[in-house]
Amino acid sequence: AQSVTQLDSQVPVFEEAPVELRCNYSSSVSVYLFWYVQYPNQGLQLLLKYLSGSTLVKGINGFEAEFNKSKTSFHLRKPSVHISDTAEYFCAVSGINNQGGKLIFGQGTELSVKP
Amino acid sequence: DAGITQSPRHKVTETGTPVTLRCHQTENHRYMYWYRQDPGHGLRLIHYSYGVKDTDKGEVSDGYSVSRSKTEDFLLTLESATSSQTSVYFCAIGQRGPDSGNTIYFGEGSWLTVV
Repeated sequence: AQSVTQLDSQVPVFEEAPVELRCNYSSSVSVYLFWYVQYPNQGLQLLLKYLSGSTLVKGINGFEAEFNKSKTSFHLRKPSVHISDTAEYFCAVSGINNQGGKLIFGQGTELSVKP
Repeated sequence: DAGITQSPRHKVTETGTPVTLRCHQTENHRYMYWYRQDPGHGLRLIHYSYGVKDTDKGEVSDGYSVSRSKTEDFLLTLESATSSQTSVYFCAIGQRGPDSGNTIYFGEGSWLTVV
């Protein structure tokens, strides 16, 4: 079984500052890792995913994440945030061979970008 | 756009009544999911399907049933709605394979209020 912990429930940051949203996972098997973004009253949109290979993954909207197997982490970063990045962000994990391809989600991090 | 349509998008119902939410997809995906989203809990899997008439339970399946008689439609039924089932319900489709991993794409959500 897998589990995900997002270490910050809320992250306030000023516009144009860098941001890191932290995600740790637990799994006894190899995993796929994902970050999703949810804007108010909308569904979840895939930001990026790690399947294999390079541990630095680039996604949409200038976000990137680094997979660290030894620390079982998959932190999301952006070097300079915009007001429009204000949203809730979810980290998710899936065991590579899990039946049904299910994702397990963290509890979410609310990113609030202030002018 | 993952070609997912949920209906209804908003519903208010009374305690004890049955409710059915419909998910329709246009891209012939084998895997479909129902998640619920609640503050502080992230997204939790209710049920999923890995083919026509093939379904299985997720982590919060009590009080819910599903059916999938056609590839494109996945129905979620609350057999006797309770106030604890007030939530936002998301349907999703899954892509599996070497280039996709277990990537899930979400619909826009159905807001259900049980009074």
